[in-house]
Amino acid sequence: NAGVTQTPKFQVLKTGQSMTLQCAQDMNHEYMSWYRQDPGMGLRLIHYSVGAGITDQGEVPNGYNVSRSTTEDFPLRLLSAAPSQTSVYFCASSYSRGLANEQFFGPGTRLTVL
Amino acid sequence: AQTVTQSQPEMSVQEAETVTLSCTYDTSESDYYLFWYKQPPSRQMILVIRQEAYKQQNATENRFSVNFQKAAKSFSLKISDSQLGDAAMYFCAYRSAGGGSQGNLIFGKGTKLSVKP
Repeated sequence: NAGVTQTPKFQVLKTGQSMTLQCAQDMNHEYMSWYRQDPGMGLRLIHYSVGAGITDQGEVPNGYNVSRSTTEDFPLRLLSAAPSQTSVYFCASSYSRGLANEQFFGPGTRLTVL
Repeated sequence: AQTVTQSQPEMSVQEAETVTLSCTYDTSESDYYLFWYKQPPSRQMILVIRQEAYKQQNATENRFSVNFQKAAKSFSLKISDSQLGDAAMYFCAYRSAGGGSQGNLIFGKGTKLSVKP
């Protein structure tokens, strides 16, 4: 199993550009989520999904869109990048409930918006 | 809403010594999970230890153990025989036992642990 994969690992954007951060998992997990990590802030939830076709907002959703057309993939779209979106982004997945609901994290994407 | 507080932004320990990282949380739920994640400079998030709230026994994983005080809403991490490889950022996290939005992880702001040789 590859676990949770994220691409790209690094990205530099200019203000106003758009891009998609890719996330995929091969563990058949129902639950997937996106977090952003900023210095001194811990990890904050952007969007999450409890299954294919179902998404919802987290704590800091503004400026981001998601979709979940398959169980495996959960891309995060930045529609018009802003410097405030400079951050490290993590994708995570897990089973929805029960004892086996440890969240597995991808390696992260470091995004810089100039 | 649930919150997680890590009151120690930075900690330092001598190699081979023991260190305790603090975490408190606020919740009105009775069933939940608590986690400690380690983030080394590689930035990969690594699960260190997990505790189910309904279990009174404190979880232990090799040199890592927790002191779970449910009534006090406290969940501290003890690292024994500290090693240089333990140097990292440590995050405490809370997760409801329910599904849907309750399954989201709520993180503290982290404690940066340094290990001195």
